[in-house]
Amino acid sequence: QVQLVQSGAEVKKPGASVKISCRVSGNILATHYMHWVRQAPGQGLEWMGVINPSGSWASYAQNLRGRVTMTRDTSRRTVYMELSNLRSDDTAVYYCARDNSAAETSWWLDPWGQGTLVTVSS
Amino acid sequence: SSELTQVPAVSVTLGQTVRITCQGDSLRIYSVSWYHQRPGQAPVFVIYGTNNRPSGIPDRFSGSHSGNTASLTITGAQAEDEADYYCFSRDTNSNHWVFGGGTKLAVL
Repeated sequence: QVQLVQSGAEVKKPGASVKISCRVSGNILATHYMHWVRQAPGQGLEWMGVINPSGSWASYAQNLRGRVTMTRDTSRRTVYMELSNLRSDDTAVYYCARDNSAAETSWWLDPWGQGTLVTVSS
Repeated sequence: SSELTQVPAVSVTLGQTVRITCQGDSLRIYSVSWYHQRPGQAPVFVIYGTNNRPSGIPDRFSGSHSGNTASLTITGAQAEDEADYYCFSRDTNSNHWVFGGGTKLAVL
């Protein structure tokens, strides 16, 4: 069974950057896109972006473009999400999730990492 | 950009049937997947490809889709179904994906 294990909680000051890792079991990175999703306290799920299997392409949510970078290291079986110029409203739990798709009309995210809490506070 | 609209909250009496809807223009082209999330836990997907259940999800969960609206139905709701439910699909005009705003389900 595929498992995604994320790095631990982070506390950052406004303006700093954070880089979260998501290590996968098995060899799924070579064949699957990977998404990142975040959830601010008491709020809903927000899609952040997706990276392709080779790491050569990524697509980011409009409101995060310019601050977010997704990368992957297949040899380490790890994907990364870096968010820069942090603000207080970036305080959230961040999740990685494997993309699954069918017929290019249907997508679902499974499994998910356990989540990483990032707190931005001065 | 595309949006997926969900009713913020619904309630259902224990053992009764409840439908949670998700509306959006992109749903005229793409199907949705559905997730439930209990407090403090990661989301778990319950329906994919409109009406396919992954193994381990009870058959009281089903999905449907018509036009720009997708629905998740719980037939015979149980206390453990009390959670937040989210739909997820692709944006029509870009390489973006989007979640609905979520529906908080209370089982009374």
